Amino acid sequence: NAGVTQTPKFQVLKTGQSMTLQCAQDMNHEYMSWYRQDPGMGLRLIHYSVGAGITDQGEVPNGYNVSRSTTEDFPLRLLSAAPSQTSVYFCASSPSGSLVSTEAFFGQGTRLTVV
Amino acid sequence: AQSVSQHNHHVILSEAASLELGCNYSYGGTVNLFWYVQYPGQHLQLLLKYFSGDPLVKGIKGFEAEFIKSKFSFNLRKPSVQWSDTAEYFCAVTSGYNKLIFGAGTRLAVHP
Repeated sequence: NAGVTQTPKFQVLKTGQSMTLQCAQDMNHEYMSWYRQDPGMGLRLIHYSVGAGITDQGEVPNGYNVSRSTTEDFPLRLLSAAPSQTSVYFCASSPSGSLVSTEAFFGQGTRLTVV
Repeated sequence: AQSVSQHNHHVILSEAASLELGCNYSYGGTVNLFWYVQYPGQHLQLLLKYFSGDPLVKGIKGFEAEFIKSKFSFNLRKPSVQWSDTAEYFCAVTSGYNKLIFGAGTRLAVHP
C-alpha cells in the first residue's frame, strides 16, 4: 500500500515554462487536495477535489490548474511558472468526500524551484 | 474565512523540559482540529486529532492537546521532550466541510 505518491520529488523550471506535478493515491480516497508550503506561512490550500470530476479553489489558486478524471489521480498544472511559485508542494487525500471526522494523509512532497 | 494562529514560530528547549505550543482558530461553529508534525526532510504526519467528545486528546509519542471551545484554542503539550521531537509542528482546523486550514507552524529545536 503506497499511500499518496507524488512525482517528481525535485524540479527546476525556467520562468514561463509549464509543467504538471503528479499525485496518485491507492487508498480509494474521495477527497484530494494540493498545498504549497512556504517558510513562515505554513501550508496553504491551492485546489481540492471532493470526488472524480469535481474540483474547487482553495486559498491560493492563481497560476494553477487541476483536474480529477479518476479517483486515484489529481495532477496540478503550472501554466506559466513564475519565481513566486518556488515552493514545496504537498498532495493530500482523505477517505470521504468531506473532511468531517476524517484526517488527511500527505505525500512526500515536490520541491519546485523556478529560476 | 477561517484562520489559524500559532503563537510561537520558534521554540528552543532542553531535553526533559515541558512543551506547550499554542493554537487559536477563528471559526465559531463545529470544527475538527488537528496537530501535524513534520520531521526534517519528511512529509506531514498526524500527531493527534479532535472530532468530538473528551476535549483532552492523547496522540502518539506522548503528545496531548486540549480543546477549549470558549477560548477557540487547541494547545499541544508534552511533559518531557526528547531530542527526537525536533521538528515543525502545525495546527490545522477544518473550515466548513471541504477545507483544511493550517497555521504558520512552530519550529521546535530540542537540545541534548
